[in-house]
Amino acid sequence: NAGVTQTPKFRILKIGQSMTLQCTQDMNHNYMYWYRQDPGMGLKLIYYSVGAGITDKGEVPNGYNVSRSTTEDFPLRLELAAPSQTSVYFCASSYSRGPISGANVLTFGAGSRLTVL
Amino acid sequence: AQTVTQSQPEMSVQEAETVTLSCTYDTSESDYYLFWYKQPPSRQMILVIRQEAYKQQNATENRFSVNFQKAAKSFSLKISDSQLGDAAMYFCAYRRWNYGGSQGNLIFGKGTKLSVKP
Repeated sequence: NAGVTQTPKFRILKIGQSMTLQCTQDMNHNYMYWYRQDPGMGLKLIYYSVGAGITDKGEVPNGYNVSRSTTEDFPLRLELAAPSQTSVYFCASSYSRGPISGANVLTFGAGSRLTVL
Repeated sequence: AQTVTQSQPEMSVQEAETVTLSCTYDTSESDYYLFWYKQPPSRQMILVIRQEAYKQQNATENRFSVNFQKAAKSFSLKISDSQLGDAAMYFCAYRRWNYGGSQGNLIFGKGTKLSVKP
């Protein structure tokens, strides 16, 4: 059971370039989230999805886009990268509410460190 | 809106000793979840312990336990018999009970960096 898999682990971008951070989970979780973590800070929500075909903005969505065509995959797209997007990005997933044990727990990927120069 | 505050940016403990990390939160809701996550240098977010607000009994997981004071909105983490592998950033987090969509988002504190001295 791989859990939540993020790729790439590291990436350096030039200002203005675009890229996609990939996230895949194999736990059949309904909910998926993208967070960013800046130095000395907790995680902030960028986008989330409650199921295939349904996405919405979180706290800091500017400069990002997402899609959810399948339950398993939730890619995060960075358009026109800027130095302010230098951060560590985490994908996470969980079940929706229900009797499943641990449904309230988010499972995180290992993170992707992105540097924009 | 809910907020989570960790007032100790850094803490240090001697190996085999006990340390307590503080967390306070603000909410108007009566039911919710609280979590402590550990983030070692590898960056992986690892669940340490969780607490449902309706439960009066404090959660424990081996050497980790919490002191949940609902009226005071306090949720501290106690690490007993500290080990070198406990050195990490520790994040306190809040999740709404009746969550859906962004309501299911974890709200994090800024973290406490724990150092363990041999």
